[in-house]
Amino acid sequence: QQKVQQSPESLIVPEGGMASLNCTSSDRNVDYFWWYRQHSGKSPKMLMSIFSNGEKEEGRFTVHLNKASLHTSLHIRDSQPSDSALYLCAASVSSNTNKVVFGTGTRLQVLP
Amino acid sequence: EAAVTQSPRNKVAVTGGKVTLSCNQTNNHNNMYWYRQDTGHGLRLIHYSYGAGSTEKGDIPDGYKASRPSQENFSLILELATPSQTSVYFCASGDTQNSGNTLYFGEGSRLIVV
Repeated sequence: QQKVQQSPESLIVPEGGMASLNCTSSDRNVDYFWWYRQHSGKSPKMLMSIFSNGEKEEGRFTVHLNKASLHTSLHIRDSQPSDSALYLCAASVSSNTNKVVFGTGTRLQVLP
Repeated sequence: EAAVTQSPRNKVAVTGGKVTLSCNQTNNHNNMYWYRQDTGHGLRLIHYSYGAGSTEKGDIPDGYKASRPSQENFSLILELATPSQTSVYFCASGDTQNSGNTLYFGEGSRLIVV
């Protein structure tokens, strides 16, 4: 059973600081990773996706992927209180891209 | 934006009763999913479907059935509800061809089994 593990479980950063979140898959056949953000009481919404080794940047958000280590990370610079949310990592494998599995999430709190 | 609608949004059921959660999507996506979310567990995959008439078991299918009668509709059925099934249930749709299988979620259905 494919597992997606995230760390840390929770993270507190000051406003304007950098938040770094990690995600690792247990399945060596993992091919696709997504990061979703879920504000309290709301449904998850896709934040960024990454399918190839390397780095991808969108505004204050940067995601890295290392397929050899099955690891992806999300970095938020200049963190804002509105970034406070549950961040969920999701993955699927090339043999069954229809099945998308999520991790347990990292709860980020940005203090003003 | 993609639209996924769940009903009911809130439900209280009795132990042993039957519960049906419904999901409708207007995105014409092939894939649909049912997840449950409990504190400390993130989103756990119950059942999913890659097209009308198909259902696949996810990671925690025991105690749940699914039905995909059409492209637009995907239901989750609890034949004999138990208190351990108290949770928030999310439906989602996605399409591997057109959006890299980015998932679009409904607003969630909160189920309490007493």
